[in-house]
This record gives sequence, structure tokens and C-alpha cells, in this order.
Amino acid sequence: DGGITQSPKYLFRKEGQNVTLSCEQNLNHDAMYWYRQDPGQGLRLIYYSQIVNDFQKGDIAEGYSVSREKKESFPLTVTSAQKNPTAFYLCASSPGVTSGSETQYFGPGTRLLVL
Amino acid sequence: SQQGEEDPQALSIQEGENATMNCSYKTSINNLQWYRQNSGRGLVHLILIRSNEREKHSGRLRVTLDTSKKSSSLLITASRAADTASYFCASPVRGGYQKVTFGTGTKLQVIP
Repeated sequence: DGGITQSPKYLFRKEGQNVTLSCEQNLNHDAMYWYRQDPGQGLRLIYYSQIVNDFQKGDIAEGYSVSREKKESFPLTVTSAQKNPTAFYLCASSPGVTSGSETQYFGPGTRLLVL
Repeated sequence: SQQGEEDPQALSIQEGENATMNCSYKTSINNLQWYRQNSGRGLVHLILIRSNEREKHSGRLRVTLDTSKKSSSLLITASRAADTASYFCASPVRGGYQKVTFGTGTKLQVIP
């Protein structure tokens, strides 16, 4: 069963705590993305990675960090520096530059709430 | 920054009617994509139209693209209650291959 998975579905963060959101894909895609969605809003790009061991900041990278040590995995850490982390976080992947396909495939999302 | 802006922000129609939503974008594009998001879920890709295409069909979906006006429209014919969702247009950012920016979405409600 191919696809992109995110865990957990809900995550609670205490003040001053770092939390990590998981994103895994078995689609053999080169590119992966993290987006943040606030209520009634569109998606804003946090970080993206076009290949293993490489990633770039998106439009709202402050307070977030990522790693891309494996092709299948692109975890996002929400650090204590992110003062307003409550949002719905979406991970996506796409085949990559060489495929010529620019369609993005999304995970089910993680809702992060601050206690 | 938002590349695409959808219009209207919200749309409510009766089942069986057609729904039309529009997207305007700011810079030149290679392609424009439409996605659907059901409440609390991830986005699902619907259709991609390339800059050299003017119209594209997929089932009950019809997408048009006018590059001179920097706009696109998505038409859903014979709507169903299951079409109730938010619809987003998305386009690659110039110079950022595979980096796509999304609009703010149109929230469609189809009343049974």
C-alpha cells in the first residue's frame, strides 16, 4: 500500500518544548515538503528538500528545523523559538526534477496544539 | 507570498448545479494545478494544466487557463454532496523548480 504517512495525528506541545513531526513516504519520490495551514488559510511552505541530504528554507522557516538523511523520511522539528505553533501541518512529496512530474502527494496531516 | 488567489472565498450550491471557481496568479507559470481538501485532511491532486494548454477535462472537471490574464477557472459539473471541500490552485514559483505555492482556497458547500 503505497503512500505518504504522518504521525502523530494530534500532538500537544508544552511551552518551551521541542516536538518532532514524522513524515514517511514509500513512493520513491525525490522531493519532499512541509507546509503549515492555519484555520481558513492556504498552505505556507516551511521547508522543502529536492534530494537526500539537501533542503531549503521556505517562506516561514523561522522556528522550525528539518533533516533529510533518508529518501523516505523528512521529519520536522518545531522548536521553542516558534512562538505560535498551533496549526495543521502537512507533508507532501513529488517525484522530482528528473521525472518531469510536478504533482504533489499529501499526507493526512498532524494537528499541533499548545498546552 | 501567495502566488495564487482563489475567488470566491466561499460558494454554496444545490446538488446537481455547476460550481465555478477562479484563480488569479502573479508571475509567469509553466503549469497550474488544482487540489481538493476535505475538512481536516490532506490535499488531493485533481488536475494539472500546462501553460501551452487552454482547456483540460477530467471526468466532471473542466479547467481553463488564460495566460494573458494570468487566470484559471475550475468548473465542477453536476455537483454532488461529496464535492463539498476546499479547492486550491497552485503553481510553481519562478526559479524554484518543484517549489509550488498555493492560493487561499475556495470553500465549496454542496447542499443535498
